[in-house]
Amino acid sequence: GNSVTQMEGPVTLSEEAFLTINCTYTATGYPSLFWYVQYPGEGLQLLLKATKADDKGSNKGFEATYRKETTSFHLEKGSVQVSDSAVYFCALLNTGNQFYFGTGTSLTVIP
Amino acid sequence: NAGVTQTPKFRVLKTGQSMTLLCAQDMNHEYMYWYRQDPGMGLRLIHYSVGEGTTAKGEVPDGYNVSRLKKQNFLLGLESAAPSQTSVYFCASSYWGQVYQETQYFGPGTRLLVL
Repeated sequence: GNSVTQMEGPVTLSEEAFLTINCTYTATGYPSLFWYVQYPGEGLQLLLKATKADDKGSNKGFEATYRKETTSFHLEKGSVQVSDSAVYFCALLNTGNQFYFGTGTSLTVIP
Repeated sequence: NAGVTQTPKFRVLKTGQSMTLLCAQDMNHEYMYWYRQDPGMGLRLIHYSVGEGTTAKGEVPDGYNVSRLKKQNFLLGLESAAPSQTSVYFCASSYWGQVYQETQYFGPGTRLLVL
């Protein structure tokens, strides 16, 4: 089957700290992988994506690399800002065009 | 472009009442989806539609019905609301192009409380 597992939160970091949010997946076939971000009171927005093994998605200083050998798609950012405080969702899109989302990881960045 | 809009933003229902949530998109997308978001559960797919006049069940369809009479609208109905349906409901849409690279665009959500 298809599923996504991401690290439990909440995560609290100081501004300019390094961020890693782990995500691993189980899938049949060759899925695309996504990170979505949800700011307070809003819907989900696409942050970045990768469509095949070894691809790196990047946006707004965030990066994630599609690792087929470890079935992972960990999100990283070198220096977080207060404005990065949000809930982050890892997701996969399978060959049937259905999304499977992780449970979300809440990030709070303090000045 | 308004993107994906949802009506209403917030609603309180009593057990047994019915209601319809409306989702509208102006991006000419073929695919539309309804999700519910619960604490610690992430997003779970309720129903989806691959085009006008078609609907299909997702992961948690029980207690809900949907209709896609127009390409731009996707309605989610609760015939007899239950407290277990208290949740935040998100609508999303995507353009059925390159299947492996599709991005979903989300509405702002509808918060539903069933007493």
